[in-house]
Amino acid sequence: DTAVSQTPKYLVTQMGNDKSIKCEQNLGHDTMYWYKQDSKKFLKIMFSYNNKELIINETVPNRFSPKSPDKAHLNLHINSLELGDSAVYFCASSQASGSSPYNEQFFGPGTRLTVL
Amino acid sequence: GENVEQHPSTLSVQEGDSAVIKCTYSDSASNYFPWYKQELGKRPQLIIDIRSNVGEKKDQRIAVTLNKTAKHFSLHITETQPEDSAVYFCAASLSGNTPLVFGKGTRLSVIA
Repeated sequence: DTAVSQTPKYLVTQMGNDKSIKCEQNLGHDTMYWYKQDSKKFLKIMFSYNNKELIINETVPNRFSPKSPDKAHLNLHINSLELGDSAVYFCASSQASGSSPYNEQFFGPGTRLTVL
Repeated sequence: GENVEQHPSTLSVQEGDSAVIKCTYSDSASNYFPWYKQELGKRPQLIIDIRSNVGEKKDQRIAVTLNKTAKHFSLHITETQPEDSAVYFCAASLSGNTPLVFGKGTRLSVIA
């Protein structure tokens, strides 16, 4: 009954490959996010997405693309992987509500990506 | 865009002492300020948050204060315990449903 889940937990791959990370939330939330945590532990937003709008952090290379097959899933696809893409990627979700606009973001367990 | 500064980057305290972590933000439109605790190899987990219409909030040994005029907020942990050892992140956003801008984290070590 994990609230936000990600697969895989670990991903080791070669430079130049294409890979995907999957995220699912069973909280009924309508907004999902991808954050990147680098080797210095800095957490930075990459994308946020709800039913209506994809917001892309302008610093994210276009090799990264979020894909949402439905409201409960937001997958991250990465093309032509580079050494600098090595990091932990966290998915998160939250629920917009007119009565309570300040709602907690729940994080997934993270996917540690290592590019060799 | 929003920029969040967090200090100190590392903090060591004796068990039972208090710990204070401070953050400043740049965007006066920010209204939501959560604090996350991240243990080694784990996900960030919300420990407390504060909205812009509140100056202080307390939950057992944890309290957060917010000064909107000065654009800074602080986390206070009293009677620290070894299990409080972790990395703590402050964050700011326009609301809880907009992307969080995180500070760079504070590694807290509680020495028994």
